[in-house]
This record gives sequence, C-alpha cells and structure tokens, in this order.
Amino acid sequence: AQTVTQSQPEMSVQEAETVTLSCTYDTSESDYYLFWYKQPPSRQMILVIRQEAYKQQNATENRFSVNFQKAAKSFSLKISDSQLGDAAMYFCAYFGMDSNYQLIWGAGTKLIIKP
Amino acid sequence: KAGVTQTPRYLIKTRGQQVTLSCSPISGHRSVSWYQQTPGQGLQFLFEYFSETQRNKGNFPGRFSGRQFSNSRSEMNVSTLELGDSALYLCASSSVAGAGYNEQFFGPGTRLTVL
Repeated sequence: AQTVTQSQPEMSVQEAETVTLSCTYDTSESDYYLFWYKQPPSRQMILVIRQEAYKQQNATENRFSVNFQKAAKSFSLKISDSQLGDAAMYFCAYFGMDSNYQLIWGAGTKLIIKP
Repeated sequence: KAGVTQTPRYLIKTRGQQVTLSCSPISGHRSVSWYQQTPGQGLQFLFEYFSETQRNKGNFPGRFSGRQFSNSRSEMNVSTLELGDSALYLCASSSVAGAGYNEQFFGPGTRLTVL
C-alpha cells in the first residue's frame, strides 16, 4: 500500500460510550497485516490490535475490536465502554510486500474522552 | 522485563552538526526499527536492523545511518543536520525481523530540535 488514510483528525466520545475510528488503505495484495497503535500523551506507542489479512475473523482485544472489510480495504477500530485512559492518538498502519515490508502509517486520529 | 530505552530523551543541535541517538531493545529482542515522527510528515520508517545487519531502509537521504551492536543495542546517526530533521525519533524492538510479523515495542522517543 502506498497510502493509509485516517479521515478523522479528531474524534470525541463520552466516557463509557462506544466510538469507531476509521482507516482505509490501498493495496492489490491479498496477504498483508494491519495494525492499530495507540500513542498516549506520554508518547510511548502501544500496539492495540493486529489483523492478518488472510484471517476472515475480526481481531478483538478486550474492549477493542476491528471491523475488517477486505474488499472495501477498510479497517476500523471500535472502542467499547470508553475510558479516560483511552485518550490518545490512534494510528492505523499497513505492512505488506507492496510496502517493501515497511510499516506505512496513517496520519492518526486524536481521541478525546469526555468525562 | 525492562522496556525499550532511548537516550537522550531531548537534544538540541544546530544546523550542520551531527547527532547520535541510542536505543536499547527489550532483552532478547534482535530486531530494532527506527521511525521519524513529525507534525507534517507523520510517522516514517527509517530503517530496521536484525542481528547487526540492516534488513530494510526507508526513503531517507544518506545523512541518516544506523548500526546495531552484538548486544542488539542500536544507534542512529544524522550528519549535517537540517532544520527539517527536527522530529521525535522512535525506536521499536521486536523478537523477529519484519515490523509486521510480530508486535513491536516502542521506546519513549528522542526529541531532536535543530536550530
């Protein structure tokens, strides 16, 4: 993929509610990996969730789940029961042969949690 | 296990100088990747080292170089600094080569300011 697009520069959600962050990418490959990383204000990047494209089942990690639509090249992140600690920048990233096996990052979405 | 450490955390240099940044990966991790993060360009892959060998390189000029030692510690060097090199430089370690094949663990970053 040459591009990973996160169309929402900023999102806000009320504490305890659900929010969905969107990510689209461009590729002609059938086998690749997709990631959501979180970068809290302290700056240390943390892996949230990882999806292997050949697996049809959507990845989940506790309150975090993805909606992976391979044909549409869409990879959205759903955060349920939002908590104050979820406030961060969220980056979507792609890894595959057409990215020369380098992580290609989206521009990020800033998530604000309202108490 | 101790996390990924980067030194120094902050650095101020002037144009034309050179700088060396250091990264110590998680114990047992042999892969170290470097990323540049700027407000304008976002996150960009610099290079990856695995077992002292550069495995992959991003699209950066030759002024950016790196190396990895036998204990997996890595250094990144930027020569002839330019104003545009001001950025947060992130280091990430992994147990396997290839940023997409396994979780990467990030350090806190080195904030480089070029005056």
